[in-house]
Amino acid sequence: DTEVTQTPKHLVMGMTNKKSLKCEQHMGHRAMYWYKQKAKKPPELMFVYSYEKLSINESVPSRFSPECPNSSLLNLHLHALQPEDSALYLCASSQIATVGLDYGYTFGSGTRLTVV
Amino acid sequence: KNEVEQSPQNLTAQEGEFITINCSYSVGISALHWLQQHPGGGIVSLFMLSSGKKKHGRLIATINIQEKHSSLHITASHPRDSAVYICAVKPLIQGAQKLVFGQGTRLTINP
Repeated sequence: DTEVTQTPKHLVMGMTNKKSLKCEQHMGHRAMYWYKQKAKKPPELMFVYSYEKLSINESVPSRFSPECPNSSLLNLHLHALQPEDSALYLCASSQIATVGLDYGYTFGSGTRLTVV
Repeated sequence: KNEVEQSPQNLTAQEGEFITINCSYSVGISALHWLQQHPGGGIVSLFMLSSGKKKHGRLIATINIQEKHSSLHITASHPRDSAVYICAVKPLIQGAQKLVFGQGTRLTINP
């Protein structure tokens, strides 16, 4: 299995709703990432998990809450979002890299989120 | 100034033409990635480079570490190559798990 699977593919939610995005990979990658991408812009890093521990939080508002229950699964819990949070949310995974070394990244197809 | 600059931002060409997309960066890196994103879709990793040149089918990627420059070439372009091509680098001085992205090049190949 060489894929990152994201569900759902599309999500429409109200500003008072609570929802979750799910990301799964079975490649044995120990780094997993959440990115947010607005239209015609490059992805923006939100969170990085290394060995199931949160290693990078790019000052993301607390209405976004990541969770990594095991080495294959990454969730993003959403609560009280704003319309400006509407975007494509991408998950990615990779082997753990050290300074001076890198590995390839595998991206999911994304969840297109609309907040109404 | 962005740490990663791509040119051109937009490129339209006819089917069969040879395509070149350029990427310049300003920091020391451990690797450079070329990514492809189709409209509304996820991202596909095309190449990871730390030196020299790589080829996969009609795609060729080169990197010059001394000049901090990389190019992505597409030979015999086809309408299915229409996509956004993104250059991303892994800086040496930042956190080991962080990519820095260019703004992307939107490529349109007309039949």
